[in-house]
Amino acid sequence: KQEVTQIPAALSVPEGENLVLNCSFTDSAIYNLQWFRQDPGKGLTSLLLIQSSQREQTSGRLNASLDKSSGRSTLYIAASQPGDSATYLCAVYGGATNKLIFGTGTLLAVQP
Amino acid sequence: EAGVAQSPRYKIIEKRQSVAFWCNPISGHATLYWYQQILGQGPKLLIQFQNNGVVDDSQLPKDRFSAERLKGVDSTLKIQPAKLEDSAVYLCASSLGWGPGDTQYFGPGTRLTVL
Repeated sequence: KQEVTQIPAALSVPEGENLVLNCSFTDSAIYNLQWFRQDPGKGLTSLLLIQSSQREQTSGRLNASLDKSSGRSTLYIAASQPGDSATYLCAVYGGATNKLIFGTGTLLAVQP
Repeated sequence: EAGVAQSPRYKIIEKRQSVAFWCNPISGHATLYWYQQILGQGPKLLIQFQNNGVVDDSQLPKDRFSAERLKGVDSTLKIQPAKLEDSAVYLCASSLGWGPGDTQYFGPGTRLTVL
């Protein structure tokens, strides 16, 4: 059974810092991995999608890496801003089931 | 392009009562998903429709939960009777197709509190 874990559960940083969020998964037979952002009272927004054959994806200040063999992904946020404050979720597609399996999320607070 | 619409946004009920949620997906999206997100956890897929047929309902508690997708468009999710542990945010999502490459677009969710 695929299990997705995110560390840390919560993180508070001052504005301008670079930070790394971690995601690990138990079954490496995945099609892809996504990072989502969730704002209070709003749905999820997809930030980055990494195919299983890729090592990383970049969008603006965000960079996501994937090491499928070790079951790990990281989301790097450069020069953090208060507007980055949200819950960040990673999700894998594949493994034993063809559905998105989500992690528990990291609650990020960027202090001005 | 209009996003995924859900209603109501909030609902408070007593245990053993019934409740229904509504979802209108993005126009033209064939696949519709219902997720349950309990506080402090990631979303968990309850049911997936391809047009108006069920693709996956393996994690739907069928003794109390039911869902339907009328004419392959709108969908309703019903809980009858509700339990305390059903308190959660219920998210609806839709995608153009069905597969690992299809981006899922999420609605704002319905927050259910069962007292």
